[in-house]
Amino acid sequence: DIVMTQSPDSLAVSLGERATIKCKSSQSVLYSSSNKNYLAWYQQKPGQPPKLLISWASTRQFGVPDRFSGSGSGTDFTLTISSLQAEDVAVYYCQQYYSTRTFGQGTKVEIK
Amino acid sequence: QVQLVESGGGVVKPGGSLRLSCTGSGFDFSGYYMSWIRQAPGKGLEWVSYISSSGLTSFSADSVKGRFIISRDNTNNSVYLQMNSLRGEDTAVYYCATTEGHFKDWGQGTLVTVSS
Repeated sequence: DIVMTQSPDSLAVSLGERATIKCKSSQSVLYSSSNKNYLAWYQQKPGQPPKLLISWASTRQFGVPDRFSGSGSGTDFTLTISSLQAEDVAVYYCQQYYSTRTFGQGTKVEIK
Repeated sequence: QVQLVESGGGVVKPGGSLRLSCTGSGFDFSGYYMSWIRQAPGKGLEWVSYISSSGLTSFSADSVKGRFIISRDNTNNSVYLQMNSLRGEDTAVYYCATTEGHFKDWGQGTLVTVSS
């Protein structure tokens, strides 16, 4: 199975500042024939189901604010929140879908 | 809009069985792969199983293989998870989700508690 490792486990960021979450896969999730990375990011707020933010490593879902962006390729990926808002407090998960499905352990984002 | 509603959760003794259901509306249910994902209390997300749009193909995580069976009924826009030989570590909120590789739309979840 592909193991997904996120860092850090938690971070506290001031309102309006940048938040950066890393995700590393144990093997590449780049499918060479399509040149697509099989990597998604989710946001989960307390008491709610997860919400898909980004698919294919960098494609933001409809309605997701543009302060959220995804980048990276192969085994190393990043979710960036360019200007943290109060409503962004949540746990964020990466997930690979290159081979079956596995999630990272989650990163908790709080306000400093 | 897309709606997914899970049901069937509850308290069951170790070794017992439970069948979860998820009914979808607002989209072409028969055109989508469907998955079950679970989340133990205070823990992260764990993919459990997925099934193809036709129902002919399915895959499950090693942690549930041989104990859980996923199925679907496209006539009733429903996907099911038959859970047998339940263990304490199966205690979790179980979500169903539309699946395009990633998990696009999620239900609110149903809680399964395995306890004597």
